[in-house]
Amino acid sequence: QKEVEQNSGPLSVPEGAIASLNCTYSDRGSQSFFWYRQYSGKSPELIMSIYSNGDKEDGRFTAQLNKASQYVSLLIRDSQPSDSATYLCAVILGGGADGLTFGKGTHLIIQP
Amino acid sequence: DAGVTQSPTHLIKTRGQQVTLRCSPKSGHDTVSWYQQALGQGPQFIFQYYEEEERQRGNFPDRFSGHQFPNYSSELNVNALLLGDSALYLCASSFRGEGETQYFGPGTRLLVL
Repeated sequence: QKEVEQNSGPLSVPEGAIASLNCTYSDRGSQSFFWYRQYSGKSPELIMSIYSNGDKEDGRFTAQLNKASQYVSLLIRDSQPSDSATYLCAVILGGGADGLTFGKGTHLIIQP
Repeated sequence: DAGVTQSPTHLIKTRGQQVTLRCSPKSGHDTVSWYQQALGQGPQFIFQYYEEEERQRGNFPDRFSGHQFPNYSSELNVNALLLGDSALYLCASSFRGEGETQYFGPGTRLLVL
């Protein structure tokens, strides 16, 4: 069974600090990686996509991908209370897969 | 620019009934994927439609079926509803060839009694 693993949390971070969210995946053939944010009772909202090893920055968010170690992470700088949500890691597995395989999500709480 | 839309927003059914959920993709998108999200879990892939055909299917029984129309909109049908089918059903659209980035609609919350 090809899996995507996340620590479910909750992860508590003080306002203004850096929040670090991690995700590991089992399928070495995976090529596409995504981070979604989901507020309680709402649908997932795309934050970032990443396809190549290294870092990708967008505003306060940085995604990091290491295919050799099979992990992808999301850093949130200058965390705000509005960042409190569940963060979902999603992967398109190798072998011609089309659907996203999600982790269970990490519940992030930013403490004012 | 309209995003992904879904209808209805909420639905209550009883066991054994059938349900149809609808999705209109984001403007310019041609591919629709459906997901089921149980409480406290990540979304699970049901199937994906492109060019009016089911392209890939997740680990869901045949009670789950779908359709895509020439205007790229899609329906998800679930027959013989079970209590365990209660969940948030999410539609995501994408443009094939654009990195497979999927954008989600607001979802339909289904409660089976």
